[in-house]
Amino acid sequence: GAGVSQSPSNKVTEKGKDVELRCDPISGHTALYWYRQSLGQGLEFLIYFQGNSAPDKSGLPSDRFSAERTGGSVSTLTIQRTQQEDSAVYLCASSLAGPSSGNTIYFGEGSWLTVV
Amino acid sequence: GESVGLHLPTLSVQEGDNSIINCAYSNSASDYFIWYKQESGKGPQFIIDIRSNMDKRQGQRVTVLLNKTVKHLSLQIAATQPGDSAVYFCAENMGSGTYKYIFGTGTRLKVLA
Repeated sequence: GAGVSQSPSNKVTEKGKDVELRCDPISGHTALYWYRQSLGQGLEFLIYFQGNSAPDKSGLPSDRFSAERTGGSVSTLTIQRTQQEDSAVYLCASSLAGPSSGNTIYFGEGSWLTVV
Repeated sequence: GESVGLHLPTLSVQEGDNSIINCAYSNSASDYFIWYKQESGKGPQFIIDIRSNMDKRQGQRVTVLLNKTVKHLSLQIAATQPGDSAVYFCAENMGSGTYKYIFGTGTRLKVLA
């Protein structure tokens, strides 16, 4: 596609429920990132996928968070047993290649998650 | 969606004036930098980038300056327009072939009519 596409754009869920957030990167981009942005905070790295390599999951805040990338394209971020502190914007980004300095990363519009 | 960065530093600029937004980066080994613009309820939008072998790069109405000596990056917006109102933040790539970026928390730019 023309840009990074994320869905849903907004999600309100009850505490304790599971949520899935989807990201469709720019066509041809092999690198995919998930970030979290809380109110008034900078971007927090969650996970990075590059081609068929093992993902870097070092940023996932707890074992309630997991992510997959199927077929080297679409990625799903899953949050199990959501908590109120999970409320944030979840941003997906992709770049042409990686790991390499100078590969511009392009963001989607984000999935705005509210846990009530 | 909610507005992000309600407690960010704010720069208020009169429409038509030039804006300068600053960023102090953290890693002297960082060798690639990006400026993003984020409007309320939207994802970050790429504006301009610069590599560490340059100290200045110009785009359309925007200029990025890099001072490696003091680890400082600035974004200059010429003839600021109401549509420039947004949160601006910088990103540094930590260099040495890493894919990891560090992002600043941002500055809110308000354009006054």
